[in-house]
Amino acid sequence: DTAVSQTPKYLVTQMGNDKSIKCEQNLGHDTMYWYKQDSKKFLKIMFSYNNKELIINETVPNRFSPKSPDKAHLNLHINSLELGDSAVYFCASSPVLGQGMNTEAFFGQGTRLTVV
Amino acid sequence: RKEVEQDPGPFNVPEGATVAFNCTYSNSASQSFFWYRQDCRKEPKLLMSVYSSGNEDGRFTAQLNRASQYISLLIRDSKLSDSATYLCVVNIRGDYKLSFGAGTTVTVRA
Repeated sequence: DTAVSQTPKYLVTQMGNDKSIKCEQNLGHDTMYWYKQDSKKFLKIMFSYNNKELIINETVPNRFSPKSPDKAHLNLHINSLELGDSAVYFCASSPVLGQGMNTEAFFGQGTRLTVV
Repeated sequence: RKEVEQDPGPFNVPEGATVAFNCTYSNSASQSFFWYRQDCRKEPKLLMSVYSSGNEDGRFTAQLNRASQYISLLIRDSKLSDSATYLCVVNIRGDYKLSFGAGTTVTVRA
């Protein structure tokens, strides 16, 4: 069983389109994340949710809207796609961070988004 | 200033060699430290947590220096399968995210 699964794995779309990426975790974790990995391979936090509540929105454009219908799901919708949105988007989950314990985060396989 | 900085490498080493590299973190409130491994076109996976007293996991040894705010990873007896990008990762107390360094690329050659 895949712990964190995200779909689709590849997404090629034209500028201006709207697209969604879905993520589900079966680990019972409280916290879920979206990270963006750009062409320089740097992983940057976009959003962090804890128990379906948005905790972190790291200066992401309004065109990106996360939605967490329940603790196990965190989807990402992107409006009006731009060339600069091309990247790999990783969903991840973990037990709650920041509590002084070394908790492991599990990542989905990534969605490689190409905007043409 | 980036929260986590790493030497990007690449470190090209022969099989059997020892390779070591560091990362530095800027926030003194950082409380949890990790090394993740990322293979080409794959997701990051936890390699090991880093504890204050230093810790080993087989051929891998991690050290933490809180005074100087750096973390190190040493790989002994390198294998071809160790070729990957190693990501230094930090969690700041009370923060709901992991902060990643840009990664150190290691290539082990036969």
